[in-house]
Amino acid sequence: EAGVAQSPRYKIIEKRQSVAFWCNPISGHATLYWYQQILGQGPKLLIQFQNNGVVDDSQLPKDRFSAERLKGVDSTLKIQPAKLEDSAVYLCASSLVRGGGRPNNEQFFGPGTRLTVL
Amino acid sequence: QQQVKQSPQSLIVQKGGISIINCAYENTAFDYFPWYQQFPGKGPALLIAIRPDVSEKKEGRFTISFNKSAKQFSLHIMDSQPGDSATYFCAASRDSGGSNYKLTFGKGTLLTVNP
Repeated sequence: EAGVAQSPRYKIIEKRQSVAFWCNPISGHATLYWYQQILGQGPKLLIQFQNNGVVDDSQLPKDRFSAERLKGVDSTLKIQPAKLEDSAVYLCASSLVRGGGRPNNEQFFGPGTRLTVL
Repeated sequence: QQQVKQSPQSLIVQKGGISIINCAYENTAFDYFPWYQQFPGKGPALLIAIRPDVSEKKEGRFTISFNKSAKQFSLHIMDSQPGDSATYFCAASRDSGGSNYKLTFGKGTLLTVNP
């Protein structure tokens, strides 16, 4: 079974530029998550989709970050304009259904995109 | 506000030794406590998880001990191996009562197992 795919793996941009990340979840997984992992910290949830609808985006900086999951499959996360503090690894995860404790709800993470903002 | 506090930040053990990582949480509504393992350049992967209705869960060399009254839980790795060298994250979530479910992670522990 193929895992969660993310691209690009690495990205270096100047501050105030725009950047987009792509995620393709495991086939059949209804729930998709985007996390931000700053160096030396644990992942922080930015946004959660259930199919193509947003379930939770309370920690997404909406003035500069946006995400979409058209057709309920793959997803893109965009930052416009980027700031120095956006330097982090952006992780995408997916699960069969929403929730992490019940059977079949385990979150599977992709390898992440490492963003460096200069 | 850091809702899940993890310690130590880094840990070095010898092969065959016991690795112990501790976490404390604040939100009493949390009812799901997983541990994730992350290797360099990879995303986190679920290692083992526990619910507060039990005080201990063991899977192979990995054991979670849970103390509900103290709001603490820990990961024990028995017979630690060099292949266990990775960053370990504890996490917690409220996974019941119609909540939207959100994993809150600790800051991580970098474990190094020397051969």
